[in-house]
Amino acid sequence: GENVEQHPSTLSVQEGDSAVIKCTYSDSASNYFPWYKQELGKGPQLIIDIRSNVGEKKDQRIAVTLNKTAKHFSLHITETQPEDSAVYFCAATKGYSSASKIIFGSGTRLSIRP
Amino acid sequence: GAVVSQHPSRVICKSGTSVKIECRSLDFQATTMFWYRQFPKQSLMLMATSNEGSKATYEQGVEKDKFLINHASLTLSTLTVTSAHPEDSSFYICSASAPRGVEFFGPGTRLTVL
Repeated sequence: GENVEQHPSTLSVQEGDSAVIKCTYSDSASNYFPWYKQELGKGPQLIIDIRSNVGEKKDQRIAVTLNKTAKHFSLHITETQPEDSAVYFCAATKGYSSASKIIFGSGTRLSIRP
Repeated sequence: GAVVSQHPSRVICKSGTSVKIECRSLDFQATTMFWYRQFPKQSLMLMATSNEGSKATYEQGVEKDKFLINHASLTLSTLTVTSAHPEDSSFYICSASAPRGVEFFGPGTRLTVL
């Protein structure tokens, strides 16, 4: 089955600097890669996603890149702000079917230093 | 993004009692909903896939008689933890699949079994 690995597990960056979180997946059939942000005591929130027919997607300070050949994808946050502090999960799933299970990475705890 | 609600947000119960958690998709119909369990500082663990009008599909190691799932309508799924014990204490999160496989999560339910 699919396996998603995520690095680093913890990340501390100075406010204003960039943060990068990397994930790899094992199943080449995976074609949808969402990223979730989870704040303490809350459910995960979808912040950006990318499909396998796209190499890069950007939404304001957040961007995601996908390398299908290498089977890895990354989240980039620029100009980090204190409110970016949270746990971030990458995920991978197959197909556009609503029955597709999402496989999560282990999470990255991002801390923004003032 | 789409809104998924969960109720209650927090519940404390005595050992041996049953607890019901509701998950609702508020602005879209969800043929499929998922139930996750999350321990502190860990990733989400899929417990079961809930399909409207049919029996839930449980992940390996998850007891279906312990965690009863009912998906009676396209906007409501319930998880009942039967005869709860302290080891069932956890953060339970549901998600609902919107069109094209995008998954939105509820805010989670913190269950504490005394």
